[in-house]
Amino acid sequence: DTGVSQDPRHKITKRGQNVTFRCDPISEHNRLYWYRQTLGQGPEFLTYFQNEAQLEKSRLLSDRFSAERPKGSFSTLEIQRTEQGDSAMYLCASSRAGRHNEKLFFGSGTQLSVL
Amino acid sequence: DQQVKQNSPSLSVQEGRISILNCDYTNSMFDYFLWYKKYPAEGPTFLISISSIKDKNEDGRFTVFLNKSAKHLSLHIVPSQPGDSAVYFCAASTGGGGSNYKLTFGKGTLLTVNP
Repeated sequence: DTGVSQDPRHKITKRGQNVTFRCDPISEHNRLYWYRQTLGQGPEFLTYFQNEAQLEKSRLLSDRFSAERPKGSFSTLEIQRTEQGDSAMYLCASSRAGRHNEKLFFGSGTQLSVL
Repeated sequence: DQQVKQNSPSLSVQEGRISILNCDYTNSMFDYFLWYKKYPAEGPTFLISISSIKDKNEDGRFTVFLNKSAKHLSLHIVPSQPGDSAVYFCAASTGGGGSNYKLTFGKGTLLTVNP
């Protein structure tokens, strides 16, 4: 496994700007997830894809957030009109559906700071 | 509402001794439990898991115990090594081990193993 890759590692932006993050999952994994982690908390589920279909979204994912996974490969997470409360670590994970005791493999995350 | 609780924010142990990390949950629908380890500036990495049909699972130095009646699980590390120093997250899902996309994480426990 080459691992889950996320880009960029760090992003500093001004309030009101749009940002986009990219995630490249492990190549044979058909499921891809986005989680968010704020300081002092554990990761919180945002959304997940099976292949190119977005199958579930958390209520944490406001309408300023949009995630895509064209062609079922890499995924992007866009945040429009960023707010200071969006500052967090955004984690991507992937897995292979159908395996017993399915495990999520996480990337190193994108740390977003909204000034 | 915090469905997965790790009540100890930190734990310090001597090298070679046992580390015991605790986790409590409130949702009786959880049927699969996982422990993840996280180093600074990295994503969480899977450590060990247990299904609700078992009460113990071992993998080398790591053992997870599950007490369903008490809604409590614990991770034992024996012997503890300085490289084990990290944040440990307890996570749970209702997927039965085959659909763990929506993990609910605790806030984590920072383990420090002193040489």
